[in-house]
Amino acid sequence: EAEVAQSPRYKITEKSQAVAFWCDPISGHATLYWYRQILGQGPELLVQFQDESVVDDSQLPKDRFSAERLKGVDSTLKIQPAELGDSAMYLCASSPGTDYGYTFGSGTRLTVV
Amino acid sequence: QKEVEQNSGPLSVPEGAIASLNCTYSDRGSQSFFWYRQYSGKSPELIMFIYSNGDKEDGRFTAQLNKASQYVSLLIRDSQPSDSATYLCAVPPLSGNTPLVFGKGTRLSVIA
Repeated sequence: EAEVAQSPRYKITEKSQAVAFWCDPISGHATLYWYRQILGQGPELLVQFQDESVVDDSQLPKDRFSAERLKGVDSTLKIQPAELGDSAMYLCASSPGTDYGYTFGSGTRLTVV
Repeated sequence: QKEVEQNSGPLSVPEGAIASLNCTYSDRGSQSFFWYRQYSGKSPELIMFIYSNGDKEDGRFTAQLNKASQYVSLLIRDSQPSDSATYLCAVPPLSGNTPLVFGKGTRLSVIA
């Protein structure tokens, strides 16, 4: 069964350091999403890509977060500098198109100390 | 602000009973509705989707949609301890290429 690959699974970093997450969507899925999920809450959208273009990054804290999907395949989400409040699960998902459910990767659990 | 509301629970049911999970949404334009299951420490997994008013059944799961009342529910029949998880309701606010908005989830505990 096709999967969304994410790495790393876990990351511990000190505040003010830089951290990066990687995602490889299911082959052929043009739409890629990054969500953040704080413990006890539902996932919240950070950024949506359609191929290599950003469709929605209205909730991305652009002063410290950046995301790219240069060749329209895999994607990287970066935080610099990390803050204590960034501790959360970072989820990548992909979809073949609108009106389809997403397939999520295993997520990256970030702890900022 | 597009909203998806769920009772956070926990909802406790005995093994073998029917678990009923509810979700309301704010955007009347929403056309599709998704239920995800999330085990503790894991990522969400799609278990059901529904587009039309009425019921949709898949094994022990039934999704029910009432667009007039802006209400979608998930029934789990013959609940098993392995069904213990958080169930997330997700709705795209508008038709087209818009991302899913997730509720906070309802934590279900099935007691053996």
